[in-house]
Amino acid sequence: GAVVSQHPSRVICKSGTSVKIECRSLDFQATTMFWYRQFPKQSLMLMATSNEGSKATYEQGVEKDKFLINHASLTLSTLTVTSAHPEDSSFYICSAIPRSRASVYEQYFGPGTRLTVT
Amino acid sequence: AQKVTQAQTEISVVEKEDVTLDCVYETRDTTYYLFWYKQPPSGELVFLIRRNSFDEQNEISGRYSWNFQKSTSSFNFTITASQVVDSAVYFCALSEPGIQGAQKLVFGQGTRLTINP
Repeated sequence: GAVVSQHPSRVICKSGTSVKIECRSLDFQATTMFWYRQFPKQSLMLMATSNEGSKATYEQGVEKDKFLINHASLTLSTLTVTSAHPEDSSFYICSAIPRSRASVYEQYFGPGTRLTVT
Repeated sequence: AQKVTQAQTEISVVEKEDVTLDCVYETRDTTYYLFWYKQPPSGELVFLIRRNSFDEQNEISGRYSWNFQKSTSSFNFTITASQVVDSAVYFCALSEPGIQGAQKLVFGQGTRLTINP
C-alpha cells in the first residue's frame, strides 16, 4: 500500500513554455503533499507544502508565481513550472502524507519527474 | 533551524567490506524523527528506517544496522558485508514541524556509496 505516482516520469520542453507535473496517491487519501527539487548530485530541497483545498505554502526563495501548485483533490497535486528556463532543469519529487496519519511522521515518495528545459 | 550533516560526500569500498555512513543533526525540538533513505541511479527514494527521538535502541535489519546516539546527535548507518547492489546515494533526514501538523523533512547532503566488485 501507500503508493505515490508521478506523471510524466521525464519531460523535455523548450525554454519559455510551461510544463505540468502530476502527483497522485493511488491507494490512499492525502491531505498534505510536498514538492521537492533535486539538482544533479545535490540533496532534496523542499519547495512547497500543498494542502487539499487551500493555497500552497512555499519555502523561502521559491517563486510561487513560477511554480504553481494546485491540490484540487485528496489524491492529486499538480506542479506547473511556468515560463521554464534551462536553470529549472531538475528532478522534481513529490511526497504524500496519508490522511489517516496526518500528524504522524510518514511520507511516501513518488518516483520523481526529470525535467529538461532546452 | 533543523540541520542535517553528512560529512562523507563519497565513499568507495570493495565488496564484502563493512561501511558506516555518518549523520549528525541539529534540532531544538524534543520530539522528532530521523530517517534514512536510499536513492539508486533510477532516482526513486527507498525508505530504509524511521527512528523517533525517544527510542535510542540500535536497530538491525539484515545487513543494515543503525546507531542512534542522542548525546552526540548522531544517527549512523552501517552496512555489513557490502554488496554491489548497495551502491547508491544515501540520505539522512530529520523531521521538522510544518503547517497543520504535517512534518516536513530536512535532508542531509547525501553520501554517494560505491561498492566495487
